[in-house]
Amino acid sequence: NAGVTQTPKFQVLKTGQSMTLQCAQDMNHNSMYWYRQDPGMGLRLIYYSASEGTTDKGEVPNGYNVSRLNKREFSLRLESAAPSQTSVYFCASSEAGTSPYEQYFGPGTRLTVT
Amino acid sequence: AQTVTQSQPEMSVQEAETVTLSCTYDTSESNYYLFWYKQPPSRQMILVIRQEAYKQQNATENRFSVNFQKAAKSFSLKISDSQLGDTAMYFCAFKNNAGNMLTFGGGTRLMVKP
Repeated sequence: NAGVTQTPKFQVLKTGQSMTLQCAQDMNHNSMYWYRQDPGMGLRLIYYSASEGTTDKGEVPNGYNVSRLNKREFSLRLESAAPSQTSVYFCASSEAGTSPYEQYFGPGTRLTVT
Repeated sequence: AQTVTQSQPEMSVQEAETVTLSCTYDTSESNYYLFWYKQPPSRQMILVIRQEAYKQQNATENRFSVNFQKAAKSFSLKISDSQLGDTAMYFCAFKNNAGNMLTFGGGTRLMVKP
């Protein structure tokens, strides 16, 4: 049971390049999330998917797109990377309506845009 | 929108001593959930403890306990008998009753000294 996995772990991009961050979970959760973590700040929600086939914007969606490929996978795409997108990116998943509630996080991807 | 504030950017404590991390939040809702997450140098986000607002009893998990003051909108984390492995960033997070999204505070960096 791997939980939430993310690839890659590290990535360096040049300004204007594109890339996709991959996330998969094996806990059969309906909901998945993408966060970014900048120095001195907590995690901020970029996009989320409440269930397969739906996606919604979070707090900081500009410059990103997402795809909920199936129940297991939720990808984050940067179409034209900018230095302001240098950050650590976390994927998470959860099951709606459960008690006690918990979000499970992946190990993160450190992205540097030069 | 909810906000979560952690007013202590950094703290340190001697091994075996007790330390308290502060968190305040702002919400107009009456039922919600609060969490403390630990992020060690490995970057992995680990749930430490959670509290449901409708429960008056403070949550405890081994050496970790909370002081939940609903009227004051305060949710502090007490770590007893601090261990070197407790060295990490600690994030307070809020979830409202209806949705599944988490709102994070800016974090407190805790250093446990031998």
